[in-house]
Amino acid sequence: EDKVVQSPLSLVVHEGDTVTLNCSYEVTNFRSLLWYKQEKKAPTFLFMLTSSGIEKKSGRLSSILDKKELFSILNITATQTGDSAVYLCAVQTGANNLFFGTGTRLTVIP
Amino acid sequence: KAGVTQTPRYLIKTRGQQVTLSCSPISGHRSVSWYQQTPGQGLQFLFEYFSETQRNKGNFPGRFSGRQFSNSRSEMNVSTLELGDSALYLCASSLGPEDYGYTFGSGTRLTVV
Repeated sequence: EDKVVQSPLSLVVHEGDTVTLNCSYEVTNFRSLLWYKQEKKAPTFLFMLTSSGIEKKSGRLSSILDKKELFSILNITATQTGDSAVYLCAVQTGANNLFFGTGTRLTVIP
Repeated sequence: KAGVTQTPRYLIKTRGQQVTLSCSPISGHRSVSWYQQTPGQGLQFLFEYFSETQRNKGNFPGRFSGRQFSNSRSEMNVSTLELGDSALYLCASSLGPEDYGYTFGSGTRLTVV
């Protein structure tokens, strides 16, 4: 059965801290791994990863994929209160299905 | 450009009723996927449509169905509603099945009482 597991389930940090969110997966016919940020309703796209070891970076956010160990991490440096959200990891399979983890709820306090 | 539009935003139904949700994709996007989001189960894939054809279906009972029209707008229908169907229903559109750039709508919050 295809599954995506995220950890931790929730995280509370202070502004300025660095956080690492984890996503491990077990799917057949892996195509890509995607990270989304969900603040209210609609998840917004952050990164798409298809190759191992290549870091994707956007401002204070970065992500990397390890296809051998079947996991990805999302790093956020110098966190701000605006980073408070649920971060979702999703894996796309060859059948073009997206399997989501349950998310990590990040709360950044001033 | 306009984003993915889902209507209605909120809906309250009673058990046993049926409901139809609508999703208008971004202009030019031909693939529409539907997801159910609940606190306990996270985001779960319902089905995907492309060119008016259902390409994939998740592990949901037959009470959940959908369709796509020639203008790529999609509807999702749930019949014989159960309390457990209460959830946020999200749709996402992309250019096509091979396009990774899914854009999500803001969802329809369905409450079954």
